[in-house]
Amino acid sequence: GNSVTQMEGPVTLSEEAFLTINCTYTATGYPSLFWYVQYPGEGLQLLLKATKADDKGSNKGFEATYRKETTSFHLEKGSVQVSDSAVYFCALPANQAGTALIFGKGTTLSVSS
Amino acid sequence: DAGVIQSPRHEVTEMGQEVTLRCKPISGHNSLFWYRQTMMRGLELLIYFNNNVPIDDSGMPEDRFSAKMPNASFSTLKIQPSEPRDSAVYFCASDVHTGIGGYTFGSGTRLTVV
Repeated sequence: GNSVTQMEGPVTLSEEAFLTINCTYTATGYPSLFWYVQYPGEGLQLLLKATKADDKGSNKGFEATYRKETTSFHLEKGSVQVSDSAVYFCALPANQAGTALIFGKGTTLSVSS
Repeated sequence: DAGVIQSPRHEVTEMGQEVTLRCKPISGHNSLFWYRQTMMRGLELLIYFNNNVPIDDSGMPEDRFSAKMPNASFSTLKIQPSEPRDSAVYFCASDVHTGIGGYTFGSGTRLTVV
């Protein structure tokens, strides 16, 4: 089956700093790739997705590009805000049949003013 | 739409008791997923349904765990008997089609077994 690895956290940044959270995957074929965000006490929310190679998903200032050459889907934001403090999860389907999503371990981001 | 609704939000129970967690998916979503989240193991897929039919329950940890989806608008996850190691946050999520779009998650049920 497919697998996903994301960088360990926590990541601590000052407001307006640049953010990168690394995500790499192993997969058969070219599955859709996802980033989810979880705020304290809440369920996960879809942040962005990309459905094919070289696609760039974007939302709320966050971006991630589907790189099949490096099997990566790194999350970036040019200027983080305190309100971006949350846990971020990279995800993809468990296998080529397009079954349920599997998630990385999550990366905690803490942004201070 | 009210989103995916889970109940209860918090559950504290004694070891050996039966626990039932409930989920109402978004109307029109035909896939439903149960996940368990712990600090040690992260998010684990327990079981998922497509059109009310269980497709893969290989993530269900033991026979003490069971899940049902009697109709398109309701699912339950039952633990009987419960054990302290079952303490976790249990999430339900629904989707229009498995793995294509993005899930909508409920707010979760925090289960504590003492």
